[in-house]
Amino acid sequence: EAQVTQNPRYLITVTGKKLTVTCSQNMNHEYMSWYRQDPGLGLRQIYYSMNVEVTDKGDVPEGYKVSRKEKRNFPLILESPSPNQTSLYFCASSSAGKGGASGYTFGSGTRLTVV
Amino acid sequence: SQQGEEDPQALSIQEGENATMNCSYKTSINNLQWYRQNSGRGLVHLILIRSNEREKHSGRLRVTLDTSKKSSSLLITASRAADTASYFCATGYGFEGSQGNLIFGKGTKLSVKP
Repeated sequence: EAQVTQNPRYLITVTGKKLTVTCSQNMNHEYMSWYRQDPGLGLRQIYYSMNVEVTDKGDVPEGYKVSRKEKRNFPLILESPSPNQTSLYFCASSSAGKGGASGYTFGSGTRLTVV
Repeated sequence: SQQGEEDPQALSIQEGENATMNCSYKTSINNLQWYRQNSGRGLVHLILIRSNEREKHSGRLRVTLDTSKKSSSLLITASRAADTASYFCATGYGFEGSQGNLIFGKGTKLSVKP
């Protein structure tokens, strides 16, 4: 089944403790992206990647890091989490092929709480 | 920020009625897409319209795009209780023929009462 898999689904952590949220897709997609969703603010893009070893900042990159060493994986790293990073996080992927009309495929989300 | 804006923020209708949601954006786009999100779940792609298209249909969905006004609308006809969800527009920026990077709006929360 074509899908984007995020782990973990739920995470409660303490301020300053480094964490990684994993994202993996099995569709050989070139594009991958991370979003955070907060009430009243919609989805805001954190980082995106157009292909292996190519990443770029979105609207809210501060406090996050990403890497794209393999095409299928795009982990989100919080080096020193703070309470304002408490949010619902989504990973998404997409084909970059010309004429593509299938949109982005989203993962099920990771609900992160930083105390 | 290139983030689009949906209007209204919330919409409540009766089953069988039509629901119309609007989206405005700020800069030139490659394409515009609509997504649905059931409470707390991942987003599901509904429909994509390219910048050179004016209208597109998919089942009970009808999307229009007016690039001169930088706006789009999503019409859901004959709504059902199962259509209750949040709907997001997303604007795509990228090279011709590619859907490119997507920027999402804040969403419209639709409630369809049986």
